[in-house]
Amino acid sequence: DAKTTQPNSMESNEEEPVHLPCNHSTISGTDYIHWYRQLPSQGPEYVIHGLTSNVNNRMASLAIAEDRKSSTLILHRATLRDAAVYYCILRDVKSNAGKSTFGDGTTLTVKP
Amino acid sequence: DTAVSQTPKYLVTQMGNDKSIKCEQNLGHDTMYWYKQDSKKFLKIMFSYNNKELIINETVPNRFSPKSPDKAHLNLHINSLELGDSAVYFCASSQSRGPLGQFFGPGTRLTVL
Repeated sequence: DAKTTQPNSMESNEEEPVHLPCNHSTISGTDYIHWYRQLPSQGPEYVIHGLTSNVNNRMASLAIAEDRKSSTLILHRATLRDAAVYYCILRDVKSNAGKSTFGDGTTLTVKP
Repeated sequence: DTAVSQTPKYLVTQMGNDKSIKCEQNLGHDTMYWYKQDSKKFLKIMFSYNNKELIINETVPNRFSPKSPDKAHLNLHINSLELGDSAVYFCASSQSRGPLGQFFGPGTRLTVL
């Protein structure tokens, strides 16, 4: 499985933008980049995914490098409720196994 | 409507007992998973079923036996529970062969005394 690396932790102030980086230098052409987050005492929650182009949804934006070896999850205005562990993972669209390997993720702390 | 549900939410039991956790999804997905999250918060896949067939079986002790009676259900039975089995177990589902991600259940916190 292609691996991802993320910083262990990041801090942000409330209502400021947050940029969460992810490196995936061994990404293959059929790998989609997925981001999940896990709020305290809850299951992981899908945030956003993309292949090559930048993506926006109501939760966040995903910026993908031109060579696809890195990506950045952007929370435009962090709130206290965004404090969570954020996971960047790769999903091979051609595999019926659908296996996604979760790393350690980035623990985001949001300060009021 | 709950997309992926698990029962029970909490399970406290003695070492050596046998217990089951149930999972159901109403998303029409064809693939379901079991993950284990230990006290260090590392989320590790255990099993994956696609159309009721086992397709991923990571190095998990034989005491763990998944069963998928149909595409919407994936149960996990654990024999002879050990202290190290204490963890949160998450069920998830997804559609195979596509870009969309997984939907996770709320988790079952298993405590073995």
